[in-house]
Amino acid sequence: QLVQSGAEVKKPGASVKVSCKASGYTFDSYGITWVRQAPGQGLEWMGRISVYFYNTIYAQKFQGRVTMAAETSTKTAYMELRSLRSEDTAVYYCARGTTGTFDLWGQGTRVTVSS
Amino acid sequence: SALTQPASVSGSPGQSITISCIGTSSDVGGYNSVSWYQQYPDKAPKLMIYEDTNRSSGVSNRFSGSKSGNTASLTISGLQADDEADYYCCSYTSNTTHVFGGGTKLAVL
Repeated sequence: QLVQSGAEVKKPGASVKVSCKASGYTFDSYGITWVRQAPGQGLEWMGRISVYFYNTIYAQKFQGRVTMAAETSTKTAYMELRSLRSEDTAVYYCARGTTGTFDLWGQGTRVTVSS
Repeated sequence: SALTQPASVSGSPGQSITISCIGTSSDVGGYNSVSWYQQYPDKAPKLMIYEDTNRSSGVSNRFSGSKSGNTASLTISGLQADDEADYYCCSYTSNTTHVFGGGTKLAVL
């Protein structure tokens, strides 16, 4: 399973770091993809990290503002989003897989950006 | 940009419905990499179909995926009340990224 960190409330301009702890499978055999969903909106692909090769691909929209990382010793993936604005208010999900077969999802982390 | 899905579809119990997902030759039409997800309100998405036509483990055979050119489709046969949910398609792209469709709300009347 994938277990994510708890809800966050941040002020505009701040950063948020969401964690995603894996269990029950070989962590570095799969990548981790991050997806977000704004209130009442659809799913938005943010990017992915290949845990084994430790390389990342980000959606152009988030380039320069997002960093994805993975720590094999703790089987935990992280997504940090900086320079937060109100439009970043969303539920952030991690999912196992990088090829489009996202077969295991975290429970989601609600991030609220508000002054 | 996002793949194009109808905002909503509806059907009666027992009927069949199809949800379309329109892309381009740079995504849907260029790779065998369309997946479909089911999402209930306030729940995480669930993988239903991967690589265009393959059912995920444990998914009912009432769900099937297909593709023709730049359009992928999800068909649900024998509609049941608990099929009522949001459905999203997703495709790999030529930019080595992925893109989701806007989502389709399925109502079982």
